[in-house]
Amino acid sequence: GAGVSQSPSNKVTEKGKDVELRCDPISGHTALYWYRQSLGQGLEFLIYFQGNSAPDKSGLPSDRFSAERTGGSVSTLTIQRTQQEDSAVYLCASSSGLAGGRGNEQFFGPGTRLTVL
Amino acid sequence: AQTVTQSQPEMSVQEAETVTLSCTYDTSESDYYLFWYKQPPSRQMILVIRQEAYKQQNATENRFSVNFQKAAKSFSLKISDSQLGDAAMYFCAYRGYNNNDMRFGAGTRLTVKP
Repeated sequence: GAGVSQSPSNKVTEKGKDVELRCDPISGHTALYWYRQSLGQGLEFLIYFQGNSAPDKSGLPSDRFSAERTGGSVSTLTIQRTQQEDSAVYLCASSSGLAGGRGNEQFFGPGTRLTVL
Repeated sequence: AQTVTQSQPEMSVQEAETVTLSCTYDTSESDYYLFWYKQPPSRQMILVIRQEAYKQQNATENRFSVNFQKAAKSFSLKISDSQLGDAAMYFCAYRGYNNNDMRFGAGTRLTVKP
């Protein structure tokens, strides 16, 4: 019964470095989402995975951002050549992906706070 | 594109009193879902309540209820008998029935005064 977990909790990096953020969804959840929350802002959709379908990457802000989901479970969000404007909290969420009913509820992880110096 | 607007950056309420948080949205879809999420300082987003657009009855979860006005595209959250633990950021969110992503408002910071 563990919830969504994310690692690391906090990440400080230097401008220009690459970073990888990890998300472990709830076991059995087929849908996985990444969001970005800048300071004092709402959540900005980044990318969505559903089962074995091609991911919806429509929210990725630039080609420096990419994400993978291996084996339909764990996902990593990679940011290449980080910039200061990438500083934010990156939240992951998962859902059962079922149409209608409780399947639409997204369960969120605690997020990774990324600081780019 | 769907947008969600929360016009109250900050709200405060006295413990045990009632407070209403506002949310409006813009959409051309007829089927969708609306949500209120709570985000305490721990950053953990917690679902408070949700509403299916095809349901006319307002959703209720214990001390939390919504006033869903589909024609006006309004979805306000009422918190009754406010408790200190209710202090948090509250986000209103919209999801189209066939959409993958969820659109969030900018949030309302709720302070509960003892």
